[in-house]
Amino acid sequence: AQTVTQSQPEMSVQEAETVTLSCTYDTSESDYYLFWYKQPPSRQMILVIRQEAYKQQNATENRFSVNFQKAAKSFSLKISDSQLGDAAMYFCAYRQDSNYQLIWGAGTKLIIKP
Amino acid sequence: KAGVTQTPRYLIKTRGQQVTLSCSPISGHRSVSWYQQTPGQGLQFLFEYFSETQRNKGNFPGRFSGRQFSNSRSEMNVSTLELGDSALYLCASSLALTSGMGEETQYFGPGTRLLVL
Repeated sequence: AQTVTQSQPEMSVQEAETVTLSCTYDTSESDYYLFWYKQPPSRQMILVIRQEAYKQQNATENRFSVNFQKAAKSFSLKISDSQLGDAAMYFCAYRQDSNYQLIWGAGTKLIIKP
Repeated sequence: KAGVTQTPRYLIKTRGQQVTLSCSPISGHRSVSWYQQTPGQGLQFLFEYFSETQRNKGNFPGRFSGRQFSNSRSEMNVSTLELGDSALYLCASSLALTSGMGEETQYFGPGTRLLVL
């Protein structure tokens, strides 16, 4: 069975600095997708970035980028120029190509220090 | 375009009762998935519907059921509520252009917070 592990329950970063959140996963599938979702205090789950396993190039979305290491089964999220609005729970999620079931990590609480 | 909507937003029930939660997907989206979020178990997949058919189901007891209507709106029902069913229930929709999965992203609603007393 596929699993997703986020080993950092909480991270803090100074405003305007860079922070990296870690995620590892386990799967025997070759085709799958990886996601980072953000859940602010409002509890609304918001997509931050996605990565297709067949793409070697790391995904980027403005200040957010990933480091996807397929062989190591690692999928970290880098947030540059951290802003107060980035404070939230961040969840790493995996989905195999054949269904819509998302498998989630436990989440990392990101604190932004002004 | 309006996002995913869920009703009600908050609900308080007592043990043994049943509850029905509703989810309206983004216009044009045909797949709806449901997730349960609790502090202890985290986020867990309940089930996914496409074209009024359940395509995939998570590891939950039969007390948890769902359905999807022809307009893609979905409901989930929990019967004989237990204290452990207290959770945030999230609904997500996907475009699902074809019956296949492909490169689809799920967009989430604000959730329904259920408290069982």
